[in-house]
Amino acid sequence: EVHLLESGGDLVQPGGSLRLSCSASGFTFSNYAVTWVRQAPGKGLEWVSTVIKTGDSTHYADSVKGRFTISRDNSKNTLYLQMNSLRVEDTAVYYCAKLQGIHTWSFDSWGQGTLVTVSS
Amino acid sequence: QSALTQPASVSASPGQSITISCSETSSDVVSYNLVSWYQQHPGKAPKLIIYEGDKRPSGLSNRFSGSKSGNAASLTISGLQAEDEADYYCCSYAGGRPSVLFGGGTKLTVL
Repeated sequence: EVHLLESGGDLVQPGGSLRLSCSASGFTFSNYAVTWVRQAPGKGLEWVSTVIKTGDSTHYADSVKGRFTISRDNSKNTLYLQMNSLRVEDTAVYYCAKLQGIHTWSFDSWGQGTLVTVSS
Repeated sequence: QSALTQPASVSASPGQSITISCSETSSDVVSYNLVSWYQQHPGKAPKLIIYEGDKRPSGLSNRFSGSKSGNAASLTISGLQAEDEADYYCCSYAGGRPSVLFGGGTKLTVL
């Protein structure tokens, strides 16, 4: 069974940094692209970033480009999101999700999410 | 910039059918035929229910179906059950920046 477990969410001040992790199990992590999707309190889903299976290619939403960095360590079955220059509007539950296939761009397994709160 | 538009809410009684539309505003996003749909219950993670426009993940009820017409995709849920009450989001590969778009979500109420 596929299992994704996010961690690292916390309360941070505007301008601060945070690194989220997503530990994967139940599938061959290195064979799949993985992604971060966030959801602000009471709001809809927003795609944040995707990294392909080798880590060589990354994609970012305009709202986070230049501030967030997605990466992965296939030897540790772990996905990361380094978040710098955090803003109040980055407050959200951050989900990691596994792509069903890079050509489908659908997300077939999700973690339970980790809450990031940006506030002074 | 492209966007995916969904109705904010729909409602129907148990046993009835509903259709949620997802239309793109300014480009050929939906024409990529890579629309997926997600169900999200309160406080829970989203769940994939349709991918590539009309395909169901293994084991998912056939009460859920997806389709496309022109630049709009649709999700139909037939034989509504109380447990179908949730938020539903469409999503599509956008081919550029951004790479992926989500619709604003539709709250389904089963009366």
